[in-house]
Amino acid sequence: AQKVTQAQTEISVVEKEDVTLDCVYETRDTTYYLFWYKQPPSGELVFLIRRNSFDEQNEISGRYSWNFQKSTSSFNFTITASQVVDSAVYFCALSEGGTGGFKTIFGAGTRLFVKA
Amino acid sequence: NAGVTQTPKFRILKIGQSMTLQCTQDMNHNYMYWYRQDPGMGLKLIYYSVGAGITDKGEVPNGYNVSRSTTEDFPLRLELAAPSQTSVYFCASSPDRGRYFGPGTRLTVT
Repeated sequence: AQKVTQAQTEISVVEKEDVTLDCVYETRDTTYYLFWYKQPPSGELVFLIRRNSFDEQNEISGRYSWNFQKSTSSFNFTITASQVVDSAVYFCALSEGGTGGFKTIFGAGTRLFVKA
Repeated sequence: NAGVTQTPKFRILKIGQSMTLQCTQDMNHNYMYWYRQDPGMGLKLIYYSVGAGITDKGEVPNGYNVSRSTTEDFPLRLELAAPSQTSVYFCASSPDRGRYFGPGTRLTVT
């Protein structure tokens, strides 16, 4: 069965600090996809990144970076030089293989507070 | 493109009432999904569809029904609403693995 664990319920940092959000997943499939989403206080869900199980390259997008390690079943998300606008709930998600990616499982989320 | 739209944005139901949450996407995506998000929790999949005329259950389908008569629309029906169905409901669509989410419908059952 698939499972996503985000052990950090809440994180509080001061602006300009770097912060890493942890995500550990479980799956029996060899083909799967991992996602991160952002949910700001307004409530909408914003897609940030998708990574497939065959691509372990780390990714950087501006102040955001993702570290995918199959050996530890982790897909961690780092925000460099955090800003108040980064305050949100961040969800990690897992979609197992096959076509369509139907049953995407979400972690419980990590609430990030960035204080000015 | 409007993306994924959901109506209504808010609704209060009495126990035992029924309603339909509407979801429409204009991106010609085959895959559509309904999730619910309970307070302080992640999203749980209620139903999904891989194309018009095809639907299947997700993690928490009890108390809900769906239909997919067109590519664009994926309504979610609540029959005999219960307080346990108080939640925020998100509809999503995708061409492949990503998800495009609608703005959500906040439903309260009292």
